[in-house]
Amino acid sequence: DAGVTQSPTHLIKTRGQQVTLRCSPKSGHDTVSWYQQALGQGPQFIFQYYEEEERQRGNFPDRFSGHQFPNYSSELNVNALLLGDSALYLCASSLFVGISTDTQYFGPGTRLTVL
Amino acid sequence: AQSVTQPDIHITVSEGASLELRCNYSYGATPYLFWYVQSPGQGLQLLLKYFSGDTLVQGIKGFEAEFKRSQSSFNLRKPSVHWSDAAEYFCALKGTGRRALTFGSGTRLQVQP
Repeated sequence: DAGVTQSPTHLIKTRGQQVTLRCSPKSGHDTVSWYQQALGQGPQFIFQYYEEEERQRGNFPDRFSGHQFPNYSSELNVNALLLGDSALYLCASSLFVGISTDTQYFGPGTRLTVL
Repeated sequence: AQSVTQPDIHITVSEGASLELRCNYSYGATPYLFWYVQSPGQGLQLLLKYFSGDTLVQGIKGFEAEFKRSQSSFNLRKPSVHWSDAAEYFCALKGTGRRALTFGSGTRLQVQP
């Protein structure tokens, strides 16, 4: 049973560029959440997708956008990259059983470095 | 507003010794609480969760945690630590009607031989 998978593992971009990160949820899950984890900090919630719609968003600018596909996989897009966007980006999947009562399982993350 | 505080940034214990990692939360009602572990360069693995019911919850790898409403705490414990437990531990909270997990800043555990 495959867990949550993310690609790519590592990515290096320069300021001003755009990046797309991908996530495939755990088998049987229908909800995907994205988190940003800066070095030495806990993860910060970016947004959650369910039924192909953004359902909740954290305190991140519109440069951060996403998409969920019919097969439940998801993409995170970041435009106009800043140095401060350098972080580990974590995808978490869950089965929707209620707004608060799902349990989120995390992937290994994508390490983004912005130069 | 909701928040999670992990007072200990770094803890060192000897292999075979007991462990307690502290987690305090701020939330106006009973939250849903989680402990995750992160090995270097890896994603987060769920250790255990509390939704309701018995306040002492058992998790994987021999970990347990106790929810204490009066102290707004959800401390993680293990009776005997193994060298493989060295990692970063995160406490997280989800409020009623909320989809997002709110994480603490983590506690780094070092295990001495």
